[in-house]
Amino acid sequence: AQKITQTQPGMFVQEKEAVTLDCTYDTSDQSYGLFWYKQPSSGEMIFLIYQGSYDEQNATEGRYSLNFQKARKSANLVISASQLGDSAMYFCAMREGMNRDDKIIFGKGTRLHILP
Amino acid sequence: DTEVTQTPKHLVMGMTNKKSLKCEQHMGHRAMYWYKQKAKKPPELMFVYSYEKLSINESVPSRFSPECPNSSLLNLHLHALQPEDSALYLCASSHPGQGDNEQFFGPGTRLTVL
Repeated sequence: AQKITQTQPGMFVQEKEAVTLDCTYDTSDQSYGLFWYKQPSSGEMIFLIYQGSYDEQNATEGRYSLNFQKARKSANLVISASQLGDSAMYFCAMREGMNRDDKIIFGKGTRLHILP
Repeated sequence: DTEVTQTPKHLVMGMTNKKSLKCEQHMGHRAMYWYKQKAKKPPELMFVYSYEKLSINESVPSRFSPECPNSSLLNLHLHALQPEDSALYLCASSHPGQGDNEQFFGPGTRLTVL
């Protein structure tokens, strides 16, 4: 079974609109971490935002926020006021356990296209 | 210095060649990682080094040989690769231990095996 599920292979969004990228996860651990990474066509993985399983508040980083719904095992990324430079592949990822050198498992990704 | 560097950016090699990929970071991170990423797929973990010791090997074929000579440097030695090994190889680093923290990724090496 997939640990991380991203159900949107591709999305097209008009510039300046908000966009929500879906992510659900599967784990029996009580302690885990959830990440979102952005990968432009250049290939580099850019860290966007992190949510720990014990964090009560949703994480926010600038235009990025993570809508964490623990009971539903959902960790959607919300990008406000999208920009052309947001066009990229977006990966949701999970680290089971709280050790920082534990493996991270990535979802299959969502390719986001921002339209002018 | 808040970046992970990887060399070379591109590498083309034959199946009988021996080559190495290099990864370097000066952020004081003591965990370093190698990932393999095929086109249109997510990164797949290959190896994890924690405090210069190999802590995770995801059943990677022996034609890939990692090495961590010091806390800042991570190498991936390649020998007798197959065309299906062509991929983007990403290095990452992080602080080991408990707590929240992201992995910082390098720009990757695009490897083509002929």
